[in-house]
Order: sequence, then structure tokens, then C-alpha cells
Amino acid sequence: SYVLTQPPSVSVAPGKTARITCGGNNIGSKSVHWYQQKPGQAPVLVIYYDSDRPSGIPERFSGSNSGNTATLTISRVEAGDEADYYCQVWDSSSDHRAVFGTGTKVTVL
Amino acid sequence: QLQLQESGPGLVKPSETLSLTCTVSGGSISSSSYYWGWIRQPPGKGLEWIGSIYYSGSTYYNPSLKSRVTISVDTSKNQFSLKLSSVTAADTAVYYCARQIAVAGPCDYWGQGTLVTVSS
Repeated sequence: SYVLTQPPSVSVAPGKTARITCGGNNIGSKSVHWYQQKPGQAPVLVIYYDSDRPSGIPERFSGSNSGNTATLTISRVEAGDEADYYCQVWDSSSDHRAVFGTGTKVTVL
Repeated sequence: QLQLQESGPGLVKPSETLSLTCTVSGGSISSSSYYWGWIRQPPGKGLEWIGSIYYSGSTYYNPSLKSRVTISVDTSKNQFSLKLSSVTAADTAVYYCARQIAVAGPCDYWGQGTLVTVSS
């Protein structure tokens, strides 16, 4: 089965840049979506199809995907960005299913 | 504005069947190109996709749950439902319903989630 690996935690100072990685076998050949989840709330889509931003998501959020790693980048980090972040792909290599990454807790120092 | 709302029992006994319904408002569940999915999250853990359904009834299931899961759709009520049989404590989780843009697309609208506890 397809596995997506994320670092458990990332810490960043306000105003700096946070980079969250999502590792998977040849993930560059798949479309990657990213979600932000704050405590007690449902996930919110922040990046889809590798690098597109839904309306209402700040330009500070960007994404890239190549080789075996996809990356969510948060520029000029704000306190309100503190949350869990999950990557997600659709795996059609064997079974057709959605796969979520292990999740990354972003802490704003 | 599209809204999704989960409903169903918050407590289910071990070995019984968990049943949840998601009611869609502000849009039609019969819209083409959209799938409708269920995702769950055990307390303190990550997200797990359960399965998705198209308004025609076409489904995709997580292979790890496939033997116990049934997802159905009722277009007349603008609802879709989840049944998970033979539940154990490991099935205790917040269950979310969501709209999925195409079969391989992202989940762009989510319900607020409902906690289901499996306990006697």
C-alpha cells in the first residue's frame, strides 16, 4: 500500500518560512493536496493539485511536488498558522483509494 | 454556500453496526464530477479515508475497511450514508463527511465531524 511520510513536527518563528515535506514513492507523478486542521475543527483545504490555492487561502501558502517529495511552504508565518497539516494523494497504482500523510504539527514560536 | 452535516448515534456497542448520514445543503448531491466521501480521525491521531461514492452509486473503499464498509446515496434526500459493521474500540473516532472534486481530487467541503464512541 502507498505510504506518505511527514515529519511529526515543525517549529518556526513568526515572520519566517515553514516548509512541510510529504514523502512518497514517485509522489511527483501524483497530484498532492494539503489540509490545515486546527484543534477541534474539520480540516480545511489549503493547496490542491500540487500548487493551486482555493479562494480565501492567503498567497503565503504555496506548494510544490517533484520526485519523491512534495512540499507545503508557509511564508511569513503568523500565529494563526499554528495547526496540523496533512498531505493527501489518490493512489491508483493497485487499489484505488485516497491516502493521507501522517500529519505535521506546526508550532509558531 | 455548500454545507455538509453528519448525523447518527454517538455511541455504538462493540460488534454492532455504526450508521451515519451526511446531509448536503446549498447544492445538489447529483452534481457531476463530485464524489462524496467519509473520512475518520481517532482521538489524537491522523486522518483515515474510509470511502467515496458518486451520485450514480459508484463507490471506492479503503481496502483495509472494505469488508466492513457500505456507503450509499439517496439523491431524493440529498444525503449519503456510511455503515461500518462489526465495530470495535479501534473504530472510535470523529467521522467526517466531505465533498471530493472528482475521484482523485481534493476534499473541498467538509462537515463539522461527529464523534462516535464504541463502548459497551
